[in-house]
Formats: sequence, structure tokens, C-alpha cells
Amino acid sequence: QSALTQPPSASGSPGQSVTISCTGTSSDIGDYNYVSWYQQHPGKAPKFIIYEVNKRPSGVPNRFSGSKSGNTASLTVSGLQAEDEAEYFCSSYAGFNNLLFGGGTKLTVL
Amino acid sequence: QVQLQESGPRLVQPAGTLSLTCTISGGSVSRNSWWSWVRQTSGKGLEWIGEISQSGRTEYNPSLRRRVTISIDKSKNQFFLRLISVTAADTAVYYCARVSTDYYYTMDVWGQGTTVTVSS
Repeated sequence: QSALTQPPSASGSPGQSVTISCTGTSSDIGDYNYVSWYQQHPGKAPKFIIYEVNKRPSGVPNRFSGSKSGNTASLTVSGLQAEDEAEYFCSSYAGFNNLLFGGGTKLTVL
Repeated sequence: QVQLQESGPRLVQPAGTLSLTCTISGGSVSRNSWWSWVRQTSGKGLEWIGEISQSGRTEYNPSLRRRVTISIDKSKNQFFLRLISVTAADTAVYYCARVSTDYYYTMDVWGQGTTVTVSS
């Protein structure tokens, strides 16, 4: 199975909102509500910020939100801050005990 | 607080075997969790390699299944990755991670990652 498709880059000014998409198929994102999002700063390990499509673990600001429509999941970062500049990855359960990741989106805060 | 640390050779010969160890501290590998390996190649994002339960049950990425073995040693609080017949395409940063028991199909604790280069 192919990786999930993300745009390679996204950008926004401080205070603005940015949405990052993650497109899969009816066999992964479209079939399961097990989409997670990870934030990765340069040289660091990924950190999960969204699980099960739209749930935030404790400690993650509510500026981060997730959603899904059909075969596409989205991560929205509202009220952009400088520290949000990072790479963001989506993942989805794909059935048969398989997990897919996206190629990553580099978010730049202008 | 659970911490994970990868270790192993940083350079592997083409057609050779990549072997990595993940050492768990601040927690037990025998906890009712699954433990996974994920790799990151420049330009291709993250790739799930596979995972192992505390009882030794394994699940692998179908694209790597022929070449991958993940094992566990509870006495040492470690789990392992073995990848055979490596090529330059296997050059990557390799992470070990814990699969969350609270959040389905989410890795909630990650090691810092180790870079492995396949080259002669």
C-alpha cells in the first residue's frame, strides 16, 4: 500500500490558521477513525498531537484540531505561533494490522 | 516516565543485515503494550516497519515482511530489529516507539532515533 499523501509544504503568518491535508483511500482513512497526527521539530523525534481523527492528548494546545471527510483527514493549526514551525505527519490504520504514514508537511511560520 | 533508546551499528554493508536494539527505561517491556519500529528517510517521510507485543506476537509492514524480524527480551527490557539484505534504500533514521494503550494506533513514546547508513 502507498503512503498517505500530504502537501510537502504549508505556511502562514503568526495568528493565522493553516490546514494540512492527508489523503488516503477507502481502505485506510476512509474506513477507520484511527488517524493520528505527529509534530516533529528538526533533529527531534515525532510527538503525537492528535489521535483518533480529532482528539487531543493532554498538554496539546487546543489550537490544534483534526477532522476527516471521506478519504481525507486534515490538521488545522489556529492562531499560528512561531513554535508551530515544524514538520507534520499523519498516520492511519489500514486494516490487517498495517499502519500507514504520510510523507510529511513542512509548516513555515512567516 | 518511560524512555526509549536505540543502539546499534551506524554503517551496514549492502546485502548485509541491519540490527538495532531498543532499550526501555522507566518502564517495563512486559507492560501490556506493543513496541514498534519506524524509520524516516529523507524525502519519503515516516514508514512503519512493524511491532511486537510483550508476549512476542509480531505484525509487519507487508512491504518489508520478507526481510524483517522483530524480537523481544523481557529479561533485558529490550526489543530488537533485524533487517536482512539491505540496500541503499534502507538508509534512514530508525526510531523505536511505544504503541499507546490509551490511543489506538498511535505511538506515544519515541526514542531519539539512530541514523543507519547502508554503504560499502
